Amino acid sequence: RKEVEQDPGPFNVPEGATVAFNCTYSNSASQSFFWYRQDCRKEPKLLMSVYSSGNEDGRFTAQLNRASQYISLLIRDSKLSDSATYLCVVNSYNTDKLIFGTGTRLQVFP
Amino acid sequence: SQTIHQWPATLVQPVGSPLSLECTVEGTSNPNLYWYRQAAGRGLQLLFYSVGIGQISSEVPQNLSASRPQDRQFILSSKKLLLSDSGFYLCAWTPVGEPINYGYTFGSGTRLTVV
Repeated sequence: RKEVEQDPGPFNVPEGATVAFNCTYSNSASQSFFWYRQDCRKEPKLLMSVYSSGNEDGRFTAQLNRASQYISLLIRDSKLSDSATYLCVVNSYNTDKLIFGTGTRLQVFP
Repeated sequence: SQTIHQWPATLVQPVGSPLSLECTVEGTSNPNLYWYRQAAGRGLQLLFYSVGIGQISSEVPQNLSASRPQDRQFILSSKKLLLSDSGFYLCAWTPVGEPINYGYTFGSGTRLTVV
């Protein structure tokens, strides 16, 4: 089983739609969780950390479900500029290494 | 503020030629440094990481090596490139001991094509 698994998509949604991505992780002892955004042919950039209580940053909401070992990202009121690949990231237990999922591609159309 | 520089942005090299990619971080001391590779349409693969000068950990056996000659300099090298070495190479840094709090910050990457 992969340490971090994501649906590759693509998710094709119209502008203004709400879209959600899930990601599952295998190590129940993982402590840190992030969502990164990667535009085509660019480096990944940190979108937001994911906290146990859930957290929101504008149109973006991240949730963590430790019991089921998954994290989610919800995007409300999608914009064309949200089109990108979203990477789920989890720390490898007891190390300084982060494990990146292969990403979920989002395409927002007019 | 901290910045990470990576160069060159693109590189086309023949099979069997050597490789040297450089990454430097400014505005911080003793960062953790990482080299990742992303093959076309694939996820990020951790190649090497370093927690200090001269300290290199290799994640996967391969045709590449890494060195950290200075605190904020990380170099990825190969003596003889293979076609399979093509990909998008990314350097990343994080404050020492804090990756699980802050995540990694990536450089802009080097797109390597071996021909």
